[in-house]
Amino acid sequence: EVQLVESGGGLVQAGGSLRLSCEASGFILSDSWMSWVRQFPGKGLEWVATIAEDEVKKFYVDSVKGRFTISRDVATNSLYLQMNSLRADDTAVYYCAKDTMDVWGQGTTVTVSS
Amino acid sequence: QAGLTQPPSVSKGLRQTATLTCTGNRYNVGNQGATWLQQRQGHPPKLLSYRNNNRPSGMSERFSASRSGDTTSLTITGIQPEDEADYYCSAWDTSLSAWVFGGGTKLTVL
Repeated sequence: EVQLVESGGGLVQAGGSLRLSCEASGFILSDSWMSWVRQFPGKGLEWVATIAEDEVKKFYVDSVKGRFTISRDVATNSLYLQMNSLRADDTAVYYCAKDTMDVWGQGTTVTVSS
Repeated sequence: QAGLTQPPSVSKGLRQTATLTCTGNRYNVGNQGATWLQQRQGHPPKLLSYRNNNRPSGMSERFSASRSGDTTSLTITGIQPEDEADYYCSAWDTSLSAWVFGGGTKLTVL
């Protein structure tokens, strides 16, 4: 069964850092484009970042450029999102998603206190 | 980044048919096609269809998607109580090199 499991969320002060993880099972993560998507409380979905199969191409929404970094590890079959200089408006549930958004994890909650 | 346009809400009765629309442009919906997602309250999004009308295995045939130009539509037939949810469209935008999402349509089952 293809599955994604996120972890690493929590409460952090503004200006702090967090590293989110997304462990994949049932497929080889490095064979797929992978994305992070977030959902602000009571709101819709917002794309955050995508990493291509070649690991060279990485794309970010403007609001996180220079602060967030997407990466992956073949050995652990995991996707990561390093989040630095966190702001209150980064507070959201963060999901990882595979390819054409065909598989989603259950999400991990990030709360940034000001 | 500009998003896709969806109506905010639709209400339908049991066993009726709902058609939800999502409009983009030639760089996203009109180019790569769209993905449709269902999100029930308190749950993560779930794939309904991708690249317009490719249903994942096990997905009910009551859900079908289509595309005409820059607009994609999701049709839900024989509406059931469990269909009450938020429905999102998304597409890769080749001009922005970004995924874009619609704001979501809340389907209320009367």
